[in-house]
Amino acid sequence: KAGVTQTPRYLIKTRGQQVTLSCSPISGHRSVSWYQQTPGQGLQFLFEYFSETQRNKGNFPGRFSGRQFSNSRSEMNVSTLELGDSALYLCASSSKQGNSGNTIYFGEGSWLTVV
Amino acid sequence: EDQVTQSPEALRLQEGESSSLNCSYTVSGLRGLFWYRQDPGKGPEFLFTLYSAGEEKEKERLKATLTKKESFLHITAPKPEDSATYLCAVQSFSGGYNKLIFGAGTRLAVHP
Repeated sequence: KAGVTQTPRYLIKTRGQQVTLSCSPISGHRSVSWYQQTPGQGLQFLFEYFSETQRNKGNFPGRFSGRQFSNSRSEMNVSTLELGDSALYLCASSSKQGNSGNTIYFGEGSWLTVV
Repeated sequence: EDQVTQSPEALRLQEGESSSLNCSYTVSGLRGLFWYRQDPGKGPEFLFTLYSAGEEKEKERLKATLTKKESFLHITAPKPEDSATYLCAVQSFSGGYNKLIFGAGTRLAVHP
């Protein structure tokens, strides 16, 4: 069974540009969450999508957005990139949203460097 | 406010020297506590989920336990390949949504 797949794995962008990251969840999983990981802040929740709808959102500015498609694949977009957006962006999938805890599996992440 | 605190921040062990990592939490409506292992440059790898106080789970040299306020990850006779950052996360249900809150992690280094 394939795991969570994220593309691209590495990318370098210039300040002011925008970036789109892609995530394919584990087959059958309908919930996709995005996290930002930096050395100083650790893992921070960005947003969660379930059945193409954003279900929850963390404390990030509106420059960070996402969407989910009917096949559960998800993309996140960051516009007007800042140096502080340099981070490892992690996608996670789980089988369902809400109610009792269910295991959340992570992808390998996309390393974004903003110069 | 929901909070997860891991200690110590870093731990250096000799091969075979057993120890424990701590994860203390304050959350409303705990739905589960997760342990992950993360190697440099990679995504977190799922280890365990614990749902209720008193629960224990084991996998090879690792054993996770849960109380009402904290969880421990016990490492028995560690090997150098156990070196990694171990992350604890709690899942709470509030405002109609699940939230997953991570601790800062414990960096474990096991030396031969």
